[in-house]
Amino acid sequence: EAQVTQNPRYLITVTGKKLTVTCSQNMNHEYMSWYRQDPGLGLRQIYYSMNVEVTDKGDVPEGYKVSRKEKRNFPLILESPSPNQTSLYFCASSTRQVDGYTFGSGTRLTVV
Amino acid sequence: GQQVMQIPQYQHVQEGEDFTTYCNSSTTLSNIQWYKQRPGGHPVFLIQLVKSGEVKKQKRLTFQFGEAKKNSSLHITATQTTDVGTYFCAGPRYSSASKIIFGSGTRLSIRP
Repeated sequence: EAQVTQNPRYLITVTGKKLTVTCSQNMNHEYMSWYRQDPGLGLRQIYYSMNVEVTDKGDVPEGYKVSRKEKRNFPLILESPSPNQTSLYFCASSTRQVDGYTFGSGTRLTVV
Repeated sequence: GQQVMQIPQYQHVQEGEDFTTYCNSSTTLSNIQWYKQRPGGHPVFLIQLVKSGEVKKQKRLTFQFGEAKKNSSLHITATQTTDVGTYFCAGPRYSSASKIIFGSGTRLSIRP
């Protein structure tokens, strides 16, 4: 089944403790992206990647890192999480802006 | 900066009534996409419009792209309880086609 898999689905962590949210797609998509969704603010793009080793900042990249060492994986790294990064995170992938995004099921992160 | 606005923010309708959400961009869009997010779920791609004035239908859903490619609409005829959710439009940023900006969304609720 074609899908984008995110892990974990839920995560509660403490301020400053490094964490990684994994994202993997099995559709051989070149384009991958991370979004955060907050009430009243909609979906905001954090980072995106157009292919292996090619990444760029979205609209809200501060406090986040990404890497794209393999085509299928696009992990989101929070080096020192803060409470304002409490949010619902979605990973998404697509062919190059052709067919629209396929989204993962989301990761609900709480930073205390 | 570029903005994509949707109206209304919320819509509560009686089952069987029609529903329309409007998407307006401050700049011309090369294409526009529509997504649906069920409560507690992730966004699911519905359709992409590319041509000026384009109209596409999916059963009870009708999508339009404005002549100036700055606005779009989604119309649902005879709503059903399965239509409940938030509908988002999305399009590439004028400054970078690889950055996809989402509208604020319209949340649809239905009285059975």
